Amino acid sequence: EAQVTQNPRYLITVTGKKLTVTCSQNMNHEYMSWYRQDPGLGLRQIYYSMNVEVTDKGDVPEGYKVSRKEKRNFPLILESPSPNQTSLYFCASSLRAGGVYGYTFGSGTRLTVV
Amino acid sequence: SQQGEEDPQALSIQEGENATMNCSYKTSINNLQWYRQNSGRGLVHLILIRSNEREKHSGRLRVTLDTSKKSSSLLITASRAADTASYFCATDADNYGQNFVFGPGTRLSVLP
Repeated sequence: EAQVTQNPRYLITVTGKKLTVTCSQNMNHEYMSWYRQDPGLGLRQIYYSMNVEVTDKGDVPEGYKVSRKEKRNFPLILESPSPNQTSLYFCASSLRAGGVYGYTFGSGTRLTVV
Repeated sequence: SQQGEEDPQALSIQEGENATMNCSYKTSINNLQWYRQNSGRGLVHLILIRSNEREKHSGRLRVTLDTSKKSSSLLITASRAADTASYFCATDADNYGQNFVFGPGTRLSVLP
């Protein structure tokens, strides 16, 4: 089944403890992206990747890192999480950038930082 | 910055009625997409309409695009309780589509 898999689905952590949210897609998509969703703010893009080894900042990149060493994986790293990073996170992929192809979203990761 | 803004923020209708949601955007676009999100779940792609298209259909969905007014509408006909969800429009914020910008969404409730 074609899908984007995120792990974990739920995570509670403490301020400052480094964490990684994994994202993997099995559709050979070139484009991958991370979003966070907060009430009243909609989805905001954190980082995106046009292809392997090509990443760039979205609208809200502060406090996050990403890497794209393989086509299928696009992990989101929070080096020192803070409470304002408590949010619902989504990974998405698309065959290519350019807006012509729809995005496939993962099921989300609900992160709470205390 | 938000490119698309859905209207209304919330909509409540009876099963069998039609639901119309609108999306307005600020800058020129190449493509506009509509997505559905069931509570707390990932978004699901519904339909894409290109800037040179005016109307598109997919099952019970009809999307229109008016580039002169920078607006789009999503019509769901003969709604069902299963259509209860949030609906988002997304537009390409730049010419390369590297950043698809989502609006805050319309929360649709279909009452049985």
